[in-house]
Amino acid sequence: GAVVSQHPSRVICKSGTSVKIECRSLDFQATTMFWYRQFPKQSLMLMATSNEGSKATYEQGVEKDKFLINHASLTLSTLTVTSAHPEDSSFYICSAPPDPLETQYFGPGTRLLVL
Amino acid sequence: GENVEQHPSTLSVQEGDSAVIKCTYSDSASNYFPWYKQELGKRPQLIIDIRSNVGEKKDQRIAVTLNKTAKHFSLHITETQPEDSAVYFCAASTYSGGGADGLTFGKGTHLIIQP
Repeated sequence: GAVVSQHPSRVICKSGTSVKIECRSLDFQATTMFWYRQFPKQSLMLMATSNEGSKATYEQGVEKDKFLINHASLTLSTLTVTSAHPEDSSFYICSAPPDPLETQYFGPGTRLLVL
Repeated sequence: GENVEQHPSTLSVQEGDSAVIKCTYSDSASNYFPWYKQELGKRPQLIIDIRSNVGEKKDQRIAVTLNKTAKHFSLHITETQPEDSAVYFCAASTYSGGGADGLTFGKGTHLIIQP
């Protein structure tokens, strides 16, 4: 199957700092990638759709100025959590379909802990 | 937007028995229904998916059924084994000529296989 990677796998930061998470499709090009957030023992919630060469589409309730998404190439999307606070601590996972009509493959996730 | 309900939240079965997890969705435009298995701290892994043009799909011990009229779909695992223990998520999405939307997930089912 298609391979999606994320970096870093885990990060600990101080409150008020910004954290960048990278999502890469390793063996395919992805015009669209998705970002999800998963709190402990909860389900995955779609945060935003990342579109190569255009602005991201955010789900209702997700602050676009806080969660900056950039999809600069067909294999890389980045999520930057700006001015992180303890309540932003979560498991952030990206996904991408190898083909627009194909299923989505998930990255390994990034565990963010904000102190 | 789409809303996906999943039941039960916890399911305990004896090894070798069958397990059934049920989901309902609200948006009649949804036409793609994947099931993911997630082990603790890891990424969701696709185990089976179904599109709205078929009513059933089977892959060895795993099967999924879809009732578009009633807007519900189910996961069936037969001859359960200890390694089937995990959290299972159903999801729904819409595929069109322009590509896929992000996934809306159910709340998950913690499947426990008793030896």
